[in-house]
Amino acid sequence: TQLLEQSPQFLSIQEGENLTVYCNSSSVFSSLQWYRQEPGEGPVLLVTVVTGGEVKKLKRLTFQFGDARKDSSLHITAAQPGDTGLYLCAAKTSYDKVIFGPGTSLSVIP
Amino acid sequence: DTAVSQTPKYLVTQMGNDKSIKCEQNLGHDTMYWYKQDSKKFLKIMFSYNNKELIINETVPNRFSPKSPDKAHLNLHINSLELGDSAVYFCASSPSRGGGPNYGYTFGSGTRLTVV
Repeated sequence: TQLLEQSPQFLSIQEGENLTVYCNSSSVFSSLQWYRQEPGEGPVLLVTVVTGGEVKKLKRLTFQFGDARKDSSLHITAAQPGDTGLYLCAAKTSYDKVIFGPGTSLSVIP
Repeated sequence: DTAVSQTPKYLVTQMGNDKSIKCEQNLGHDTMYWYKQDSKKFLKIMFSYNNKELIINETVPNRFSPKSPDKAHLNLHINSLELGDSAVYFCASSPSRGGGPNYGYTFGSGTRLTVV
């Protein structure tokens, strides 16, 4: 069974701090995605990483795909209250099915 | 115009009732999905349709029956509702069933189902 794990489960930080959240698996994936979900809304796609070792930046967010394509990290610089939400990683399995990790719930306190 | 819209947003109903949730996408995507998000925020796929054809049918009770009248619509009918069915149900769509790396989903805003 292909599973995605995320850590930490919960994170509460002050505005302006930096943070990193992780997505790990024992399986190799051809690509991996990150979504952010705000309360009362559906997840919104942030980025797709495809190549092992790839780094993508989206303003203050930096995404990295592990060299072995089994893990990924999301680093946020100078977090803002608007970054608050549930961060989900997702990957496509060998059965053309996209699975999601359990998420990291981030709270940025003003 | 909302890309993926689902109705209703909230649904409160008694055990044993039958209810339906509707979903429509105006993105021209070929593939649509139903996901269930439980109280711990875990998203689990239930069904997937590609051009009206059922391609993924997870281990879901027979009381759940999806129906896709055309590739822009995917509805979910639930019979004999149980307390454990309470969750948020999300509809999503993607350009194709997974060819290439750009399989990003567009989600609806969810239907919060509460069974009492």
